[in-house]
Amino acid sequence: DAGVIQSPRHEVTEMGQEVTLRCKPISGHDYLFWYRQTMMRGLELLIYFNNNVPIDDSGMPEDRFSAKMPNASFSTLKIQPSEPRDSAVYFCASSQTLRTGRYGYTFGSGTRLTVV
Amino acid sequence: QKEVEQNSGPLSVPEGAIASLNCTYSDRVSQSFFWYRQYSGKSPELIMSIYSNGDKEDGRFTAQLNKASQYVSLLIRDSQPSDSATYLCAVNEGRETSYDKVIFGPGTSLSVIP
Repeated sequence: DAGVIQSPRHEVTEMGQEVTLRCKPISGHDYLFWYRQTMMRGLELLIYFNNNVPIDDSGMPEDRFSAKMPNASFSTLKIQPSEPRDSAVYFCASSQTLRTGRYGYTFGSGTRLTVV
Repeated sequence: QKEVEQNSGPLSVPEGAIASLNCTYSDRVSQSFFWYRQYSGKSPELIMSIYSNGDKEDGRFTAQLNKASQYVSLLIRDSQPSDSATYLCAVNEGRETSYDKVIFGPGTSLSVIP
């Protein structure tokens, strides 16, 4: 299996521009998670999906952030408009879990976003 | 607000020694506990999971869980320079509606000195 695939690996954009991050989860995994990692705040859960349906988006910082999962093999995280404080590494992770939550996640390699 | 706390370190141990990493969590009903290793510039990688009180061993790694004390630890025996990384403790939310939501601690930086 190719693992969780994220693109792009690096993104540099100007403040105010729209940014779209992409993720392909592991085939057969029914959960998908978007995390953001910074030195100050660590790994923060932004949103997660189960069977393509958003379950919890309480971690999405504000309305500038949106996420979609149109099918089982693709998800996007969009920031519009982007701001310098959005600079971080964004990770996508997927998992195949039972209701007991007894499986760990597999993370993608991340997208390093820099907003200037 | 559910919290997972770890000593940020850095923790330095000599090669061949035992490294001990600690984690406490606030959600009394959490059921699943994980340790991830993250090398600089890389993504987190799952190395251990534990669900029951006591010890779980996997090679040089031992995870220890004490639910009464809300404490989980990771021991690394015969530490190697390649173990130098940040170790993230992760705990699932215990409510039935959010078993699959995992909260990460801030991580402990481990440095193994040759």
